[in-house]
Amino acid sequence: EVQLVQSGAEVKKPGESLRISCKGSGYSFTSYWISWVRQMPGKGLQWMGRIDPSDSYINYSPSFQGHVSISIDKSISTAYLQWSSLKASDTAMYYCAIGGGTAYFDYWGQGTLVTVSS
Amino acid sequence: QSVLTQPPSVSAAPGQKVTISCSGRSSNIGNNYIFWYQQLPGTAPKLLIYDNNKRPSGIPDRFSGSKSGTSATLGITGLQTGDEADYYCGTWDSSLSANVVFGGGTKLTVL
Repeated sequence: EVQLVQSGAEVKKPGESLRISCKGSGYSFTSYWISWVRQMPGKGLQWMGRIDPSDSYINYSPSFQGHVSISIDKSISTAYLQWSSLKASDTAMYYCAIGGGTAYFDYWGQGTLVTVSS
Repeated sequence: QSVLTQPPSVSAAPGQKVTISCSGRSSNIGNNYIFWYQQLPGTAPKLLIYDNNKRPSGIPDRFSGSKSGTSATLGITGLQTGDEADYYCGTWDSSLSANVVFGGGTKLTVL
């Protein structure tokens, strides 16, 4: 069974750093790009970027380029989303997802809620 | 503001049919496959339709997708109360800023 299990909810202060994770299992980890999707409270889905686990090539959405970092550790089948300096506007649910096509996602993680508040 | 345009809400009675539209431009819907997601309250999105009109295993044929030019439509027949959810269209955008783009979402209410 394909599973993407994300790390737990986080509460941070503005300016703090954060890394959340997404561990894949039940499939060949290097076979599918892993994407990150943001959903702000009460809002729609926003694609942030993706990483190819086979070679660590990363493709960021222009809206998120420079604001977050995506990385991977193949040895433990885990992808990461990282911020160096959080803002209140980063408060959102973050999902990781994989899919068989260029732009669709068959499997999603359960989501990681990030709350940034002073 | 989302790249793809969806109506904010639609509603219909149980057993009826509803359609949800999604419009874009040549760089996205016009030249790429469309996909649709269903998001039930408090859950992750679920893939309903991919490659314009294909259903993943386990998705009932009450759900259908179509595309024409720079617009796409999700159709749901035999509405059930369990279909009440947010629906999102999405596709790849082949412009200079190549990335996955979504519609703003449509809230389906089953009256």
